[in-house]
Amino acid sequence: AQSVTQPDIHITVSEGASLELRCNYSYGATPYLFWYVQSPGQGLQLLLKYFSGDTLVQGIKGFEAEFKRSQSSFNLRKPSVHWSDAAEYFCAVGASTTSGTYKYIFGTGTRLKVLA
Amino acid sequence: DAGVTQSPTHLIKTRGQQVTLRCSPISGHKSVSWYQQVLGQGPQFIFQYYEKEERGRGNFPDRFSARQFPNYSSELNVNALLLGDSALYLCASSLGLVSKQYFGPGTRLTVT
Repeated sequence: AQSVTQPDIHITVSEGASLELRCNYSYGATPYLFWYVQSPGQGLQLLLKYFSGDTLVQGIKGFEAEFKRSQSSFNLRKPSVHWSDAAEYFCAVGASTTSGTYKYIFGTGTRLKVLA
Repeated sequence: DAGVTQSPTHLIKTRGQQVTLRCSPISGHKSVSWYQQVLGQGPQFIFQYYEKEERGRGNFPDRFSARQFPNYSSELNVNALLLGDSALYLCASSLGLVSKQYFGPGTRLTVT
């Protein structure tokens, strides 16, 4: 069955430090991969997505993610974190089913705290 | 352009009641998806509609149903509400089935 694992429930980093949020997926073929951010009281905002092609994907707000097929991973990175990056981050997989429909599976999220 | 809108913002219902949540997609978007987000968890996929047809369904009981109208707006219906249905219900619209999804602010449903 398809699944998404975000092994880190909470991460704390200092402002200006680098960041890596982990995401592992389970899916038989190459899925569509997404990272979303959710700030308190706000909806989900797409940071970046991977459909095919270059495995290093650039997103908004200085984020990037790398698709590694051999590790079934899609980790999110940022070289220098800003205090405004404090939020909850969700990794998601979009997968087609045998019936030709689609389903989207989200991880449980990683809550990022940024220290001044 | 207006983003995805959802109504109502908040809703309180009693166990056993029925509820209807509404979603208006971004103009030009033909796909609407529904998600349930329980506090402290990631969104769970409920349905996806595209061109008024159901194109995706998550692992939710038959108490959950949805439809999409000719103007591409959508309704999510939940019958026989349970306490466990208390959650933030998110709607997302997109141009196509696997296009970038834009999320609305959600409807907070509380079942007492």
